[in-house]
This record gives sequence, C-alpha cells and structure tokens, in this order.
Amino acid sequence: QQQVKQSPQSLIVQKGGIPIINCAYENTAFDYFPWYQQFPGKGPALLIAIRPDVSEKKEGRFTISFNKSAKQFSLHIMDSQPGDSATYFCAASILGGSEKLVFGKGTKLTVNP
Amino acid sequence: DGGITQSPKYLFRKEGQNVTLSCEQNLNHDAMYWYRQDPGQGLRLIYYSQIVNDFQKGDIAEGYSVSREKKESFPLTVTSAQKNPTAFYLCASSSEGYGDYGYTFGSGTRLTVV
Repeated sequence: QQQVKQSPQSLIVQKGGIPIINCAYENTAFDYFPWYQQFPGKGPALLIAIRPDVSEKKEGRFTISFNKSAKQFSLHIMDSQPGDSATYFCAASILGGSEKLVFGKGTKLTVNP
Repeated sequence: DGGITQSPKYLFRKEGQNVTLSCEQNLNHDAMYWYRQDPGQGLRLIYYSQIVNDFQKGDIAEGYSVSREKKESFPLTVTSAQKNPTAFYLCASSSEGYGDYGYTFGSGTRLTVV
C-alpha cells in the first residue's frame, strides 16, 4: 500500500512532442505528490508538486494532472526540448506526518532533436 | 548559498574495506536521508533520520551504518558486510511539511569497488 507505481520505464519523443509519465498509488492518506528531475551524474531536483485539493497545476511547460478518484497523477511536458532529456521520478507522502517520500522507479525520457 | 554537500564525488573501495560518505547541509532541515541508486532500480532508501541522535533503517539498511550527532551532518558508512556496494549514493534533507521545496538532494557520491 506504500508503493507508487510509475510508467513507462523509458520514453522517447521528438522535439516538440508531449511526453506523459503516469503514476498510481494505493494509500488514500497521501496528500503530497512531487515530481523530481534528475540529469546524469546529478542529484534529483524538485520540478513541481501538487496537493489533492486541485486537479491540475502548471509551471512553465510542465503540468501535473491529478485524479483523486482513480488514485493517479501524471506529468505532461509541453513542447519538449532535448534539454528535457532526464530521468523523472514521481513521489507521494503525507504532509505533516513522519512519513517519508515514497518514490516511483523513474522514467528515462529522451527528447530527440 | 544553502544546500547539501556530498563528498567525495567519486570513491573507490577495496574488498573488505569500510568507507564513509559525507553529507552536510546548511538548510537547517531536521530530516536527512540516504538513498542508493542503481540503473533501473530507482531510489532505494538506506537510512533516514528525523532528529539528532535518532535514525531508522530504510528498505536496504544491511551492510550500512549511519550516525546523526549534529543536525547538519549525516555520514554513511558502507561496511565490508555490504557485498555489492558499487552504486550512486544520494543524500537528501527536508523540513517538516516539506514546504515548497520537498526534499533537497546532494549531487551524489559514486562508489566503485576495485
């Protein structure tokens, strides 16, 4: 029940395409859903996060869509660029509790020029 | 600038040797974490600490040890009992409720057994 399932494991798109990465969770107590971006040889960095009181959040070309009833959330990257090529991790947790972040296994995104 | 510093960036360990990875943060975060990253395995939690002088095992603690004597520091020792230590190790920290920043990660230490 503590797992976050992320798909696909890898994704290749052309420049300008809209890659979509999906995550699903079981624990209905989760109320914080961040996405992290990791470039090779670097630590992950927080990209965008959402809480379940909203269904969508945008920051620049990155959008999180959240479906509370389906217990799913996804990351969309509009007008993707080669510089977006990285590994993306979704995660979930309970704000204010002692629960640590539960990470998905990651999606390696390649954006071809 | 506030952040997390991991050192060294690259580390080589001989068989049967213990090595210690350093993690220091100046973000005044209470919680600190160690993760191991292998290709295709995502981020696996080794140990975490939510307060000084206290820490808990994560999912893959066997062969590792930690200490938390200061709020700023959370070193990880990879012992000789860890049979497959070659990996990328990441340290992270967070404040209560994560704020707007979630976890802050260091830039990692790549450990190789030689």
